[in-house]
Amino acid sequence: DIQMTQSPSTLSASVGDSVSITCRASQSVILWLAWYQQKHGKAPTLLISKTSILESGVPSRFSASGSGTEFTLTIRSLQPEDFATYYCQQYNSYPWTFGGGTKVEIK
Amino acid sequence: EVQLVESGGGLVQPGESLRLSCAASGFGFSDYTMNWVRQAPGKGLEWVSSISKTGSSVNYADSLKGRFTISRDNAKSSLYLQMSSVGAEDTALYYCVKSSWGYPEGRFDSWGQGAPVTVSS
Repeated sequence: DIQMTQSPSTLSASVGDSVSITCRASQSVILWLAWYQQKHGKAPTLLISKTSILESGVPSRFSASGSGTEFTLTIRSLQPEDFATYYCQQYNSYPWTFGGGTKVEIK
Repeated sequence: EVQLVESGGGLVQPGESLRLSCAASGFGFSDYTMNWVRQAPGKGLEWVSSISKTGSSVNYADSLKGRFTISRDNAKSSLYLQMSSVGAEDTALYYCVKSSWGYPEGRFDSWGQGAPVTVSS
């Protein structure tokens, strides 16, 4: 199984800050990496797929990059609605696996 | 608008069985791979199982050890998860999840609100 490791597990930031979250895979997932946002008490929503493709309606302050085993999600100029937990997920091979999550909280 | 509505969750005793259902609407159900993803209280996301468009191909997380069975009824636009020999480790919110179009099919573009399952005596 491919293990996905996210860091940090918690990130404290202020509105307007830029933050980055790292996701590492135990083996190459090529570009088949997605990012999800989960707000408290809500179902996750798909933000980004195939490493860097923003889903429709996702603000351009979100960006992502990477390949192989190392990936990054960046949020520029954090907005109040961005405080949430973010998960990476590989879908290169079964079993599809998620990272442990990164909670972005208000400093 | 895609809608996925789970039902069948609840309190179940260890060792018993439970069947979750998901009613889908707003898209061509038979055209998409469907999935179950769970989230234990205060924990992260765990993919549970996937079923292909026709139901001919299914996949499961290794941790389930053959206790769960995924199925679908395209005529009813419904997805199911039969859970047996449940244990405390199965306590979670179970999401019905639609895969995006295309390959690979592990990109999840629509999620239900989840069915809570609590395993306790």
